[in-house]
Amino acid sequence: EVVLTQSPATLSLSPGERATLSCRASESVHYYLAWFQQKPGQAPRLLIYDTSNRATGIPARFSGSGSGTDFTLTISSLEPEDFAVYYCQQRTNWPPVTFGGGTKVEIK
Amino acid sequence: EVQLVESGGGLVQPGGSLRLSCAGFGFTFSRYSLNWVRQAPGKGLEWVSHISSNSKTYNTDSVKGRFTLSRDNAKNLLSLQMNNLRDEDTAVYYCTTGDYVAWGQGTLVIVS
Repeated sequence: EVVLTQSPATLSLSPGERATLSCRASESVHYYLAWFQQKPGQAPRLLIYDTSNRATGIPARFSGSGSGTDFTLTISSLEPEDFAVYYCQQRTNWPPVTFGGGTKVEIK
Repeated sequence: EVQLVESGGGLVQPGGSLRLSCAGFGFTFSRYSLNWVRQAPGKGLEWVSHISSNSKTYNTDSVKGRFTLSRDNAKNLLSLQMNNLRDEDTAVYYCTTGDYVAWGQGTLVIVS
């Protein structure tokens, strides 16, 4: 099973700041890495798939990069609606599909 | 617009059974693979099951032999039969399309 480790667990930032979230895989997932955003009481929403492709309707301030075992989600300038929990996911070596433990982006 | 609507959650005793359903709207249901993903209270996301468009199924190890996934393409309906439920199965269960683009609102299962 591929283990995904996200860091940091919590990121305290102010609106307008840049957010950099990390996801490290226990083995190569090539480029099949996705990112999800989840707000309290809501279902997750797909942001990024295949490392760097934005899903439909996702603003350009969200970008993804990386390959192999190290991946990054960057939010270039935080908007108030971006404060949420973010999860990475791999579907390269499945079953099982695995998710990281999440990074909470909170208002500083 | 693709829409998924789950139902069937509730309170059940350990060892009991529950059947979750997921109705699909706004897309050609039979052409899509589908998943169940769950989230225990205050915890992260956990993939549970997958069914392909031709009904091949995969389950995470912790539910093998207890959960059965099936689909009825004529009714645009996905079903998850959950037997021998355990405390650790307590979670919100989400139905998603195979590409994880569309998610339902979730249905809460409490085993207690």
